[in-house]
Amino acid sequence: QKEVEQDPGPLSVPEGAIVSLNCTYSNSAFQYFMWYRQYSRKGPELLMYTYSSGNKEDGRFTAQVDKSSKYISLFIRDSQPSDSATYLCAMSEPGGSYIPTFGRGTSLIVHP
Amino acid sequence: EAEVAQSPRYKITEKSQAVAFWCDPISGHATLYWYRQILGQGPELLVQFQDESVVDDSQLPKDRFSAERLKGVDSTLKIQPAELGDSAMYLCASSSRSNTGELFFGEGSRLTVL
Repeated sequence: QKEVEQDPGPLSVPEGAIVSLNCTYSNSAFQYFMWYRQYSRKGPELLMYTYSSGNKEDGRFTAQVDKSSKYISLFIRDSQPSDSATYLCAMSEPGGSYIPTFGRGTSLIVHP
Repeated sequence: EAEVAQSPRYKITEKSQAVAFWCDPISGHATLYWYRQILGQGPELLVQFQDESVVDDSQLPKDRFSAERLKGVDSTLKIQPAELGDSAMYLCASSSRSNTGELFFGEGSRLTVL
């Protein structure tokens, strides 16, 4: 079993829908949680960053961490065709080198 | 806006040939990473540098892969000889010294081995 599990999709939604993307993990030492967005043939770009449990909101994006369930989510409100991309979750432990472990990514398609 | 620069963007080579990728991190970023991303998978770490020193190269196939960051700034990743299974995107990322996992990625180098 991989440390970070993420459904690859694809997830296809109509424009304006609320999107929910999720990851589960097995390493209880993870404290830092990130979401990266990767457009086709491009490098990942950091979208959201949270520490420990709780919610964080940035515009149309909300990141949620539930450490008790080892489950993280990214919500996208009022989804747009420009949100079509692969969304990678990543997480890291405190101390040491903080090297993030990535999920395999979920492909999101928002159609007009 | 500061960026991580990588070259070449695309490389096609035949198996058993040598390949090299170059990365210039964001100015002032002490930590540099090389990741490999196979199509449909998440990035997997190959090597991490802190300044010019290797921090973690446990997943680097050292019989054919090498990486260096001689002056603690730019870095080169080499594959010799290339094998069919090396076809992937090679991503370079950098982070500040106070990094807690926030990485800034370059656009990647797409390698195809024929």
